[in-house]
Amino acid sequence: AQSVTQPDIHITVSEGASLELRCNYSYGATPYLFWYVQSPGQGLQLLLKYFSGDTLVQGIKGFEAEFKRSQSSFNLRKPSVHWSDAAEYFCAVGATGGSQGNLIFGKGTKLSVKP
Amino acid sequence: EPEVTQTPSHQVTQMGQEVILRCVPISNHLYFYWYRQILGQKVEFLVSFYNNEISEKSEIFDDQFSVERPDGSNFTLKIRSTKLEDSAMYFCASRNRPNTEAFFGQGTRLTVV
Repeated sequence: AQSVTQPDIHITVSEGASLELRCNYSYGATPYLFWYVQSPGQGLQLLLKYFSGDTLVQGIKGFEAEFKRSQSSFNLRKPSVHWSDAAEYFCAVGATGGSQGNLIFGKGTKLSVKP
Repeated sequence: EPEVTQTPSHQVTQMGQEVILRCVPISNHLYFYWYRQILGQKVEFLVSFYNNEISEKSEIFDDQFSVERPDGSNFTLKIRSTKLEDSAMYFCASRNRPNTEAFFGQGTRLTVV
């Protein structure tokens, strides 16, 4: 069965520091992978996605993620965190092909940013 | 930029009452979804809808739930007889074709008392 694991429930980083949020997935075929961000009381905003091709994908707000098939990982990175990045981050995997397109989400990682 | 719109943003209802959550997907999208997020937990898939019928549903989506696309723009989720455990944030999403990203609405927070 498909699953997504985000091993870190809560991470605190200092403003200006680098960030890496971990995501591991379990999926039998080539997955589609996504990172979404949710600010308090807000909806889910897509940060970036991987469908195929270059394994390093760039997203909005200076985020990037790298797909590593051998490690079944899709970690999210940002070189310098801003206070406005404080939010909850969700990794998700989607089925390739077909019309269903439902996503399996991880439990999320809450990011706090220290001044 | 086109967006998915959900109304209301917050609904409080008494246990046993019926609620209808409304969504207006992006206009040229063909695939529609409902997800829910119980407070502090992960986002869970409920149902997908395409070509005027349910294409897939999760175990959560039992007989108390139904979806409908009553006209060309709205996509609704109905809960017939709400339970306390239905309290959650409900997200609508849509996309225009397979193998593309889904766009999510801002969510409706449902509180059952």
